[in-house]
Amino acid sequence: GQGVEQPAKLMSVEGTFARVNCTYSTSGFNGLSWYQQREGQAPVFLSYVVLDGLKDSGHFSTFLSRSNGYSYLLLTELQIKDSASYLCAVRDLGSNYNVLYFGSGTKLTVEP
Amino acid sequence: DAAVTQKPRYLIKMKGQEAEMKCIPEKGHTAVFWYQQKQSKELKFLIYFQNQQPLDQIDMVKERFSAVCPSSSLCSLGIRTCEAEDSALYLCSSIDWGENYAEQFFGPGTRLTVL
Repeated sequence: GQGVEQPAKLMSVEGTFARVNCTYSTSGFNGLSWYQQREGQAPVFLSYVVLDGLKDSGHFSTFLSRSNGYSYLLLTELQIKDSASYLCAVRDLGSNYNVLYFGSGTKLTVEP
Repeated sequence: DAAVTQKPRYLIKMKGQEAEMKCIPEKGHTAVFWYQQKQSKELKFLIYFQNQQPLDQIDMVKERFSAVCPSSSLCSLGIRTCEAEDSALYLCSSIDWGENYAEQFFGPGTRLTVL
């Protein structure tokens, strides 16, 4: 919805890192959120960014470039339990700014 | 545990039957959203309530669904006549428009299967 695109799958190795990319195309931008969702469970909020740059939240960091319509979620020191889907969602001022429009999610698999 | 409660967790209906699912938002949250998620697909926005009033909804909801929030502590989403394409996970979420307005809390969802 609203042109939010994510790669479908990503694989990485325990102890290393993974970068989940998200691109969006909206008529107006009012913030981007990242969520983690495990199979059959509710999405869990991870991070929200509205200004350009890198936001370090420890295990998770997020980057935003509004001019490029691009964000990424960086997971460091990966653990097996980080295997999950990661959802990118954008608030679009062009429609109803209170609504989050989600990408299809990136399924991350962390291998031993 | 999710701060938002949804019931039932699983719902099975025959094509043509009516379905109803309920959501109890996080206490104090004034905004409630419903999303539909099909297998491996994105969360699709359905309807948004602010202070129990519907402010935005997609055409599909206007045509075939019924959604109300009679109180700040209970909302419901209904499907008047279920179709196979309605099989999905229905997620309810709520927001605190205070300091933490960016964080949208989701319930565990109601998984609807239409046979």
